[in-house]
Amino acid sequence: EVQLLESGGGLVQPGGSLRLSCAASGFTFSIYALSWVRQAPGKGLEWVSGISDDGGTTLYGDSVKGRFTISRDNSKKTLYLQMNSLRAEDTAVYYCANKVPGAHPFDNWGQGTLVTVSS
Amino acid sequence: EIVLTQSPGTLSLSPGEIATLSCRASQSVRSSSLAWYQQKPGQALRLLIYGASRRATGIPDRFSGSGSGTDFTLTISRLEPEDFAVYYCQQYDNSPWTFGQGTKVEIK
Repeated sequence: EVQLLESGGGLVQPGGSLRLSCAASGFTFSIYALSWVRQAPGKGLEWVSGISDDGGTTLYGDSVKGRFTISRDNSKKTLYLQMNSLRAEDTAVYYCANKVPGAHPFDNWGQGTLVTVSS
Repeated sequence: EIVLTQSPGTLSLSPGEIATLSCRASQSVRSSSLAWYQQKPGQALRLLIYGASRRATGIPDRFSGSGSGTDFTLTISRLEPEDFAVYYCQQYDNSPWTFGQGTKVEIK
């Protein structure tokens, strides 16, 4: 059974930093691309960032470019999102999701971790 | 960036009825790279349809997708109690991958 388990969320002040993790199991981690998708309270889904299967290619949405960094450790089967210079509008549940490389949808999703940016 | 607009925002229906959800793209989605997901409270999002019309593994055949170019539809032929949820379309043609704002299917 595929499992994606996010952790690292919490309350942080504006301007602060947080590092999210997503531990994976149940599939061959190293051959899947991965992404972070967020959902602000009561709102829809927003793709945040993606990384290729080997980590060599990273992509970011305009709203987080220059502030967030995605990375992965294939030996630990873990995805990361380093979030710096956090703003109130970054408050959301952050989901990790996997996909086959190339033009494919998100196959599996985690249950998310809540990040709250507030003073 | 491809903007996806879903309609209606909310659909109030009874079990057994047919649900028809629409997703319109601001520009053509190549190779029908359009997916539909289901979201229920407390559960992980579930992929229902990809390639505009292909059911994902384990998805019941009452769910069907159609469309191409800029207009796509998700149809639930006979609503079951477990189908009342929020549905999102998503394009994976090019980055940034974008989602529609969602359609909530609620019990009438």
